[in-house]
Amino acid sequence: DIQLTQSPASLSASPDEIVTITCQASQDIGSSLLWYQQKPGKSPQLLIYSATILADGVPSRFSGSRSGTQYSLKISRLQVEDIGTYYCLQVSSSPLTFGSGTKLEIK
Amino acid sequence: VQLVESGGGLVQPGKSLKLSCSASGFTFSSYGMHWIRQAPGKGLDWVAYISSSSGTVYADAVKGRFTISRDNAKNTLYLQLNSLKSEDTAIYYCARGVMDAWGQGASVTVSS
Repeated sequence: DIQLTQSPASLSASPDEIVTITCQASQDIGSSLLWYQQKPGKSPQLLIYSATILADGVPSRFSGSRSGTQYSLKISRLQVEDIGTYYCLQVSSSPLTFGSGTKLEIK
Repeated sequence: VQLVESGGGLVQPGKSLKLSCSASGFTFSSYGMHWIRQAPGKGLDWVAYISSSSGTVYADAVKGRFTISRDNAKNTLYLQLNSLKSEDTAIYYCARGVMDAWGQGASVTVSS
């Protein structure tokens, strides 16, 4: 199975700061990685697919990048409404696997 | 695109439950579909997938106990949960094949 090591597990940042979350894949998954935001009591919402493509309706302050088997989600200017837990997901091969999540709080 | 799960509830260990996911706003028969679950306070775990042609794949943790199926005439996805264990307690989400749209979830609690 492909493992996704997501870091950090939690972080606290101030509005307008730049925030970066990373996922390290245990093997080559190409661009088959998605990023989600989940707010308490809600289902996950797609932010990024194919590692770098912004999903419809997602603010442009969110971006995804890839360097080899390391994937990053960047929030360029953190807003209060960005609080929640962020997950990466690999869809390269079965079983699909998620990162362990990053809980983002606002200072 | 709208996905609405139903059928969750409280069930005793060893018993069965069937979840449904009603789909609308897209051509259901053209898409594979997934079930994903989230135990209380935990992360997301993929459970099962069914292709548009009804081929199926399961996570090891549920293989042999859970069955994913679909009825294209009713635009509905199903998950039959048998031999339930306490560790199956979770919110169960259905999602469209490309994982771009998810339902709101159905709560399953396995407890005596």
